[in-house]
Amino acid sequence: QITLKESGPTLVKPTQTLTLTCTFSGFSLNSSGVGVGWVRQPPGEALEWLALIYWNDEKRYRPSLKSRLTIAGDTSKNQVVLTLTDMDPVDTATYYCAHRHGRHGLSFDYWGQGTLVTVSS
Amino acid sequence: QSALTQPASVSGSPGQSITLSCTGTRSDIGAYNYVSWYQQHPGKAPKLIIYDVTDRPSGVSDRFSGSKSGNTASLTISGLQAEDEADYYCGSYTAGSPYVFGTGTKVTVL
Repeated sequence: QITLKESGPTLVKPTQTLTLTCTFSGFSLNSSGVGVGWVRQPPGEALEWLALIYWNDEKRYRPSLKSRLTIAGDTSKNQVVLTLTDMDPVDTATYYCAHRHGRHGLSFDYWGQGTLVTVSS
Repeated sequence: QSALTQPASVSGSPGQSITLSCTGTRSDIGAYNYVSWYQQHPGKAPKLIIYDVTDRPSGVSDRFSGSKSGNTASLTISGLQAEDEADYYCGSYTAGSPYVFGTGTKVTVL
């Protein structure tokens, strides 16, 4: 059974760096084809894909946020960490991590419950 | 990277069929057969209901079906039920990015 859970601060100040951890079980990040992504959703708005890390440590980022995002995997801890620098109130959102479905294409079949991050001074 | 375009809202009566559209470009929907659809109830995480344009994950009702023509993908919900009232998002693999979501459609069951 695949499960994912996000953890991190619920409140950050403008200009600070956000670090979120996705702790997962039921799969291994170093198994061929596996990927873990991060998605966010501002209150009342649409989903936004942020970043993705593959089993081979290949990483991909949302182009508009590429300079601020870093994704990293820790296979020994079954964790994926996302950092977003220079936080702004517009970054207020629920942040989800999700498991890549299958070994071809790209979709997300298992999701964490999400964690709401508010950016405010 | 622009979001895929979806109608803001679609409604239907119980038992009816409705179709949601998702319009992209030649760089995403038009280029790959990797369109997915998600259902999201208020306060909940999204749920994958269609992947690779037409395929349903195990356990998803066959009342949900997907298709694609050119740069536009569609999700059809047949036999509309009260529990289908939710937000629906499309997503697609895209050149370079590699993923983009749609703007979302709110489905209302009248």
